[in-house]
Amino acid sequence: QVTLKESGPGILQPSQTLSLTCSFSGFSLSTSSMGVSWIRQPSGKGLEWLAHIYWDDDKRYNPSLKSRLTISKDTSRNQVFLKITNVDTSDTATYYCTRSPSFDYWGQGTTLTVSS
Amino acid sequence: DIVLTQSPTSLAVSLGQRATISCRASQSVSTSNYSYIHWYQQKPGQPPKLLIKYASNLESGVPARFSGSGSGTDFTFNIHPVEEEDTATYYCQHNWEIPYTFGGGTRLEIK
Repeated sequence: QVTLKESGPGILQPSQTLSLTCSFSGFSLSTSSMGVSWIRQPSGKGLEWLAHIYWDDDKRYNPSLKSRLTISKDTSRNQVFLKITNVDTSDTATYYCTRSPSFDYWGQGTTLTVSS
Repeated sequence: DIVLTQSPTSLAVSLGQRATISCRASQSVSTSNYSYIHWYQQKPGQPPKLLIKYASNLESGVPARFSGSGSGTDFTFNIHPVEEEDTATYYCQHNWEIPYTFGGGTRLEIK
């Protein structure tokens, strides 16, 4: 059974760094072709793909945020991490992690509010 | 970036009838073998759920009343017959190139 669960700080002030963790089970990032993506969704709005990381440490970022994003993984602990630097109110959203490449399993999301 | 334009943005369909959603890509997202378009259903407070992959392939466990078709830049998603539980927002998404993008969504209401 594949499960994913996101965790994060819940609230940040502008200019701080967001650190998100995706903890998963039922698959492994030591398996060829497996990966994890991060996707976010502001309340009442659409979906935005942010980044992905694959079993071979291939990392790709959305160019619109690339300078602010860092994705990494701990294969032994079945965790993927995403850092977003210098957050502002436009980063307020629900952040999801999902198994890649097929986006067939998603976590329930973690909500971030950026407010001073 | 590839822009995916969904239409309509919302629709209301009578129970048992057909719902049709269009997704148009700003450039081709198909090869001779695959179309890199996928369809999701999202209900309030829930993550998206994959329904159709590679334009026309039903994800495991998804009812056969959901279907997809198309190639190149024009794709269609259908639900027939619609059921009450199909009330949701539907998104198309491509993974042709980075960045992957989603359509703006179509809100479906069942009359």
